[in-house]
Amino acid sequence: GESVGLHLPTLSVQEGDNSIINCAYSNSASDYFIWYKQESGKGPQFIIDIRSNMDKRQGQRVTVLLNKTVKHLSLQIAATQPGDSAVYFCAEITAAGNKLTFGGGTRVLVKP
Amino acid sequence: DAGVTQSPTHLIKTRGQQVTLRCSPKSGHDTVSWYQQALGQGPQFIFQYYEEEERQRGNFPDRFSGHQFPNYSSELNVNALLLGDSALYLCASSLVGDPSTDTQYFGPGTRLTVL
Repeated sequence: GESVGLHLPTLSVQEGDNSIINCAYSNSASDYFIWYKQESGKGPQFIIDIRSNMDKRQGQRVTVLLNKTVKHLSLQIAATQPGDSAVYFCAEITAAGNKLTFGGGTRVLVKP
Repeated sequence: DAGVTQSPTHLIKTRGQQVTLRCSPKSGHDTVSWYQQALGQGPQFIFQYYEEEERQRGNFPDRFSGHQFPNYSSELNVNALLLGDSALYLCASSLVGDPSTDTQYFGPGTRLTVL
């Protein structure tokens, strides 16, 4: 399949370590944020979301943190596995509409 | 439960030609959004269809048009293709009116190459 994210920043992580991926968003009116994972040759896959009235949400091995003061979003992956290797995008939605605005993406490479 | 499907998987066209891409939403979803993803970049919103009408549009020229059918499936049409239209075209579906979620689920995409 095609390669996604040829020029994206890369995070190299040892298998079993925790990963932290950061994202800065631009629109203070955004009220809903989503993290997507995109593997080569595939469409983005939903990981976890968070509303603007929350500052933390946990899923299975993943945690999203939202800091509205500095407009910053992070995704934490616990015990990173080889299957976590992919490009990760944050996306935001404003209350005014349903279009997703994506950040630039980060490539995560998991080393065995 | 079928997810979002798109066809074709790959497509090669020449400059000036026209192309039609197709999308079937996830079962139970009524809204379809289209995105363009260039290599190394995040997806860019093209437009969204709901109740067979274009509901919202991104910053794309009129060469990009779409349609939604009564069964909620959708088509993306691009006229007068340019080299810069080469990209992965993604379709995402969601359910409008459900206050519990605005989550959009993506299909695998159609890789369009314009020569």
